[in-house]
Amino acid sequence: GAVVSQHPSRVICKSGTSVKIECRSLDFQATTMFWYRQFPKQSLMLMATSNEGSKATYEQGVEKDKFLINHASLTLSTLTVTSAHPEDSSFYICSALDGLALSYEQYFGPGTRLTVT
Amino acid sequence: QQQVKQSPQSLIVQKGGISIINCAYENTAFDYFPWYQQFPGKGPALLIAIRPDVSEKKEGRFTISFNKSAKQFSLHIMDSQPGDSATYFCAALKTSYDKVIFGPGTSLSVIP
Repeated sequence: GAVVSQHPSRVICKSGTSVKIECRSLDFQATTMFWYRQFPKQSLMLMATSNEGSKATYEQGVEKDKFLINHASLTLSTLTVTSAHPEDSSFYICSALDGLALSYEQYFGPGTRLTVT
Repeated sequence: QQQVKQSPQSLIVQKGGISIINCAYENTAFDYFPWYQQFPGKGPALLIAIRPDVSEKKEGRFTISFNKSAKQFSLHIMDSQPGDSATYFCAALKTSYDKVIFGPGTSLSVIP
């Protein structure tokens, strides 16, 4: 089956620093990738949708200058949390759509736990 | 605006019992309804999905029932096992738009 990886799985950073999270589709080409944020015991909140080679589309209320998304290739999307603060601590999850499959299934990564101290 | 409602918030079921989670949606443009299972510290994984032209879909111990007129759908887990203990999310999307709308989730605990 389709596999999506994320790196790192956990990261701890100091307030004010930037953190990059990678999302890779390992065995398929992902024309569209999604980034979600999940707080403890809550549902997934869509942050942005990225299409390969174009600018990401951010959901209302998500700061595009704070959460930089790059989808430079069909297998890689990155989320950079700039000038991170403790309130950015969360579980970040990416998902990807197989651009060649006649399917609407999103394949989810294992998530990245970000802790900002 | 919560477009997909889900209940109960938490559920405790004895091993071998039936777990039932209910969802309701508002937007009639939704045309694909997946269920996801998420274990702590992991990303969600697709469990089973249904389209509105089908009233029921079964895969192993998991069954989705769909009521288009009532805009409701439910997940039934037969012969529930402790390994089924996880958080379950119903979801809905318009396939022409790709964006998945998640329900708030149900925490299922299956006790021996």
